[in-house]
Amino acid sequence: GQNIDQPTEMTATEGAIVQINCTYQTSGFNGLFWYQQHAGEAPTFLSYNVLDGLEEKGRFSSFLSRSKGYSYLLLKELQMKDSASYLCAVRDSNYQLIWGAGTKLIIKP
Amino acid sequence: TAGITQAPTSQILAAGRSMTLRCTQDMRHNAMYWYRQDLGLGLRLIHYSNTAGTTGKGEVPDGYSVSRANTDDFPLTLASAVPSQTSVYFCASSEGTGQETQYFGPGTRLLVL
Repeated sequence: GQNIDQPTEMTATEGAIVQINCTYQTSGFNGLFWYQQHAGEAPTFLSYNVLDGLEEKGRFSSFLSRSKGYSYLLLKELQMKDSASYLCAVRDSNYQLIWGAGTKLIIKP
Repeated sequence: TAGITQAPTSQILAAGRSMTLRCTQDMRHNAMYWYRQDLGLGLRLIHYSNTAGTTGKGEVPDGYSVSRANTDDFPLTLASAVPSQTSVYFCASSEGTGQETQYFGPGTRLLVL
């Protein structure tokens, strides 16, 4: 079967750095996405990785290792507005997105 | 640009009744999707459409039907609602079906009693 694993919840301090991990087992791989979802709102696109390595976009970076079936999202200089759920999704061999359950990130002052 | 709109925002529905959730996008995207999101679970694909006039079944299609008469609209119908269909429903679209990003509507919160 297909499976995306990410921690259910994480807590971090304002101004700090947090790393959210995602491991996957899917039938084929055609890219990995990270989305942010604030409570009661729609998911919004953060990053996309299809090749191994690090993609940096401002305070957010995403890393991919296809051989290990592993990705992480790195958030720097945390702000209170970063409190949200972070969803990892993998596009499989049928070009469908398989979604993890999401990681709820709580930022404390 | 509105992007993707969904209606209604929320609804309480009696079991056994039918309902259509509406989704409209103004980005001229070819592909559209319907997901449901339940607590503790990832988004699950119900139905999708790669282009106007075609539809396909996702992971959890039972009890739902869709149509794609034109590029902009992708309604989701529950023919006879059951309590297990209580969920938040998100419509999404993407320019194509390759590596393009999916963009989401605001969601419809449905409670079936």
